[in-house]
Amino acid sequence: QKEVEQDPGPLSVPEGAIVSLNCTYSNSAFQYFMWYRQYSRKGPELLMYTYSSGNKEDGRFTAQVDKSSKYISLFIRDSQPSDSATYLCAMSVSGYNKLIFGAGTRLAVHP
Amino acid sequence: SQTIHQWPATLVQPVGSPLSLECTVEGTSNPNLYWYRQAAGRGLQLLFYSVGIGQISSEVPQNLSASRPQDRQFILSSKKLLLSDSGFYLCAWKSWARNTDTQYFGPGTRLTVL
Repeated sequence: QKEVEQDPGPLSVPEGAIVSLNCTYSNSAFQYFMWYRQYSRKGPELLMYTYSSGNKEDGRFTAQVDKSSKYISLFIRDSQPSDSATYLCAMSVSGYNKLIFGAGTRLAVHP
Repeated sequence: SQTIHQWPATLVQPVGSPLSLECTVEGTSNPNLYWYRQAAGRGLQLLFYSVGIGQISSEVPQNLSASRPQDRQFILSSKKLLLSDSGFYLCAWKSWARNTDTQYFGPGTRLTVL
């Protein structure tokens, strides 16, 4: 079993839809949770960062962490064609020098 | 602000040839530095990381090596490339000044071994 599981998709939605992206994990020691967005042939860029449990909102993006279920989510409201990218979840144990990444979910938002 | 550079952006090399990819970070001191490889349509594989000059940790046994000759410079090398070395190579950095584990990625180098 992988430490972090993420459905690779692809996920195709119409413009304006609410998108839900998810990851599950097995290591209860994870405390830092991140979402990265990667456009084709580009390096990943940090979208959201959350420490421990709870929600964090930034514009159209909301990150949720449910440590009891070992489940994290990224919601995108009013999705746009420019949101079409691969979304990678990542997590770490505090003080550990490495991030554990999910495989990434490819999202396509069509006009 | 901090920036991270990688070069070259693309590279086509024959099997058996040497490799040198360079990564530099500006605007921060004593960062952790990372090399990842991303095969087509797949996730990120951590290859090496460094917490300081001359300190390299290898994650995957292979024909690649890494060096950190200066605080903000990280080099990925190979003496003889294999076909399986093709992929998208990403350098990343993490700051000790920020109380997070977030890493920031460079633009990447796309390597094709023929």
